[in-house]
Amino acid sequence: GAGVSQTPSNKVTEKGKYVELRCDPISGHTALYWYRQSLGQGPEFLIYFQGTGAADDSGLPNDRFFAVRPEGSVSTLKIQRTERGDSAVYLCASSLGGGSTEAFFGQGTRLTVV
Amino acid sequence: SQQGEEDPQALSIQEGENATMNCSYKTSINNLQWYRQNSGRGLVHLILIRSNEREKHSGRLRVTLDTSKKSSSLLITASRAADTASYFCATDDGGYNKLIFGAGTRLAVHP
Repeated sequence: GAGVSQTPSNKVTEKGKYVELRCDPISGHTALYWYRQSLGQGPEFLIYFQGTGAADDSGLPNDRFFAVRPEGSVSTLKIQRTERGDSAVYLCASSLGGGSTEAFFGQGTRLTVV
Repeated sequence: SQQGEEDPQALSIQEGENATMNCSYKTSINNLQWYRQNSGRGLVHLILIRSNEREKHSGRLRVTLDTSKKSSSLLITASRAADTASYFCATDDGGYNKLIFGAGTRLAVHP
């Protein structure tokens, strides 16, 4: 596709449930990022992939959060035992070369935990 | 954790005026970028300035970088109502790796 695609655009889930958020990066982009953004705040770094491997997962808040990118393209962010505090917009971005280059963002997934 | 901190947090101006936003960061960087966000969804890249550059222009945008003060500014000249958005600075961590964002400046341009 022409840009970064995130699905679903909105997700409402009950507290305690498991959710998966998907990101399709721009073809050929080796770097992929996940961010979380709460209202009125800047994007909070979660995890950065270079190819298939997680080069930096220091932003994942706890072990309920996990992300994969098995073939170096599509990535899935997985959240177990969701809590109301997980409610936020989850943003995915991809770039050609990590932090030294322009990142292209998807429109985000708005997660609401009720 | 956030690397950059923008100020002001919010800015309200009239169309035609200039808007200046500032960003400070904490560690050494290779590059600094500015992004724009409408309606709390996807961010759009505006401009990238490298650590060995002091000033860069793109259309109505002017960015400066002072690595000795670990600060940058974004100037939007002759603002338009369509410039209303949140603006974020973002830096790498000095290792060409993750991109870290500040809290942003919310700009409102009134017709």
